[in-house]
Amino acid sequence: DTAVSQTPKYLVTQMGNDKSIKCEQNLGHDTMYWYKQDSKKFLKIMFSYNNKELIINETVPNRFSPKSPDKAHLNLHINSLELGDSAVYFCASSQDQGQGISTDTQYFGPGTRLTVL
Amino acid sequence: AQSVTQLDSHVSVSEGTPVLLRCNYSSSYSPSLFWYVQHPNKGLQLLLKYTSAATLVKGINGFEAEFKKSETSFHLTKPSAHMSDAAEYFCVVSYWGSYIPTFGRGTSLIVHP
Repeated sequence: DTAVSQTPKYLVTQMGNDKSIKCEQNLGHDTMYWYKQDSKKFLKIMFSYNNKELIINETVPNRFSPKSPDKAHLNLHINSLELGDSAVYFCASSQDQGQGISTDTQYFGPGTRLTVL
Repeated sequence: AQSVTQLDSHVSVSEGTPVLLRCNYSSSYSPSLFWYVQHPNKGLQLLLKYTSAATLVKGINGFEAEFKKSETSFHLTKPSAHMSDAAEYFCVVSYWGSYIPTFGRGTSLIVHP
């Protein structure tokens, strides 16, 4: 069984469109993350979210918004897509030991490759 | 504040020779340190982690890393490289109470036959 799954795997869209990427984890974890990986493989954390609190990376444009319908899902919605949004987006989860701490092992999804034309 | 520096963007070795991937960190608190591996077109997978127990940490696939507080280092080693080790490796630092782990920029390991 896949622990952390993302859909779609590939997403090609035009500038200005709005799109969503879905993430689901079946590990029972309380904390989930979204990362952006650029063409040089640099990983940048965008959001950390648990059932208590959303932590936003201040450098993330407000066109990006995480939405969590329940503990097992954390979707990423992107408004008004720009060329610079082209990247691979990874979802991850970890067990919350009490305060959404990040010292736990993270389990990553397979990634969604977003291409904005 | 915390930061992590992976000293080499690329490391090239021959199959069967030792691997050394270097990582230095800074943290205001006692750190938790991780190495993750990313194979082409895949997500990241944990290799090993240090969380204030034994300073020599053994991971999967024959990898190990040693936490050296005096040198603020957490270098990743493997005695003998295999072709399947070719991948991107990320060193990560975090600490108790932090919501956000800090990733290094990655080291690409190239293994030649």
